[in-house]
Amino acid sequence: EAQVTQNPRYLITVTGKKLTVTCSQNMNHEYMSWYRQDPGLGLRQIYYSMNVEVTDKGDVPEGYKVSRKEKRNFPLILESPSPNQTSLYFCASSFSGTGVYEQYFGPGTRLTVT
Amino acid sequence: EDQVTQSPEALRLQEGESSSLNCSYTVSGLRGLFWYRQDPGKGPEFLFTLYSAGEEKEKERLKATLTKKESFLHITAPKPEDSATYLCAVQEDYKLSFGAGTTVTVRA
Repeated sequence: EAQVTQNPRYLITVTGKKLTVTCSQNMNHEYMSWYRQDPGLGLRQIYYSMNVEVTDKGDVPEGYKVSRKEKRNFPLILESPSPNQTSLYFCASSFSGTGVYEQYFGPGTRLTVT
Repeated sequence: EDQVTQSPEALRLQEGESSSLNCSYTVSGLRGLFWYRQDPGKGPEFLFTLYSAGEEKEKERLKATLTKKESFLHITAPKPEDSATYLCAVQEDYKLSFGAGTTVTVRA
């Protein structure tokens, strides 16, 4: 089954404790992206990656890091989480051959930072 | 400045009562405009891509149209299972921007 998986699905942590949210896709997609979703603000792009070792900032990259060492994986790293990073996070992937990114989304990770 | 604005924020419909959702955008180099459906607690699900003004796409009771500055999602004779949040997104170069969504509730 074609899918994007995220782990963990739910996470409660404390300020300053480094964490990683994993994202994996089995569709051989080149383009991958991370979003956060907050009430009233919609989905905002954090980082995106056009292929292995190629990443770039989205609209809200502050406080986040990413890496793309393998095509299927695109982890999101919060080195020193703060309460304002409490949010619902989605990973997405897309075939990029046409240059238009019709994205498949993962199930989401709900993060709470206390 | 918001690149994508959706209206209304919420829409309550009676079953069978057709209506339209609006998505206005301000990007200059549009590569594609997308519509997604999102159910509570789930990730968005892709519905349509529109590439240029005048284009239309249909899927069951949904029809999406595109002009140079906005897109409409028409819901014809909706059913309760059409209740969801509908998201609009635009792609400029490699970046995507989403609107805040319209939450549609269809009552039987």
